[in-house]
Amino acid sequence: GAGVSQSPSNKVTEKGKDVELRCDPISGHTALYWYRQSLGQGLEFLIYFQGNSAPDKSGLPSDRFSAERTGGSVSTLTIQRTQQEDSAVYLCASSFLGYGYTFGSGTRLTVV
Amino acid sequence: GNSVTQMEGPVTLSEEAFLTINCTYTATGYPSLFWYVQYPGEGLQLLLKATKADDKGSNKGFEATYRKETTSFHLEKGSVQVSDSAVYFCAQRGETSGSRLTFGEGTQLTVNP
Repeated sequence: GAGVSQSPSNKVTEKGKDVELRCDPISGHTALYWYRQSLGQGLEFLIYFQGNSAPDKSGLPSDRFSAERTGGSVSTLTIQRTQQEDSAVYLCASSFLGYGYTFGSGTRLTVV
Repeated sequence: GNSVTQMEGPVTLSEEAFLTINCTYTATGYPSLFWYVQYPGEGLQLLLKATKADDKGSNKGFEATYRKETTSFHLEKGSVQVSDSAVYFCAQRGETSGSRLTFGEGTQLTVNP
């Protein structure tokens, strides 16, 4: 597509539920990144994909967080047993070989 | 590890005022440096970048110069407009392809008419 698409744009979930966030990168972009932006905070790196593999997942905050990428395209970030501190905007970015990042508009997650 | 420190906000200016947002970094090697902007309700957009020492990035009247001796990449604009109101993020990326972007905490800028 023309840009990086993320869905849903907003998600409200109850504490303890699982959520899935989707990122559809620009066609042909080999690299994909997930970041988290908490209120009043900068952007926190979560995970990086090159193709379908994740050479850097050092930013995932706990084992409740996981991500996968299939077909070198769409990625899904899953948060299990959500907690209130997971409330944030989750941003996805893609790039070709790691140059020229394009960000999506994000998914605003609210855990109540 | 690599990090970025930028000027705390919020910053409030009158239209046509001069803007400086300070940014310093720590890194091994020679990172590329970036400024991103996030307008209200929108995603992050690349504003400008510089890939080596003494390079000057510029866009929409904004400028920043890669200063290796002071490890800085300060953002400047000579005359701000109301439409420049946004959050500005300084970022760095390591030398290897695929390296993550490391961001500063962002600076909220409000420009009043």
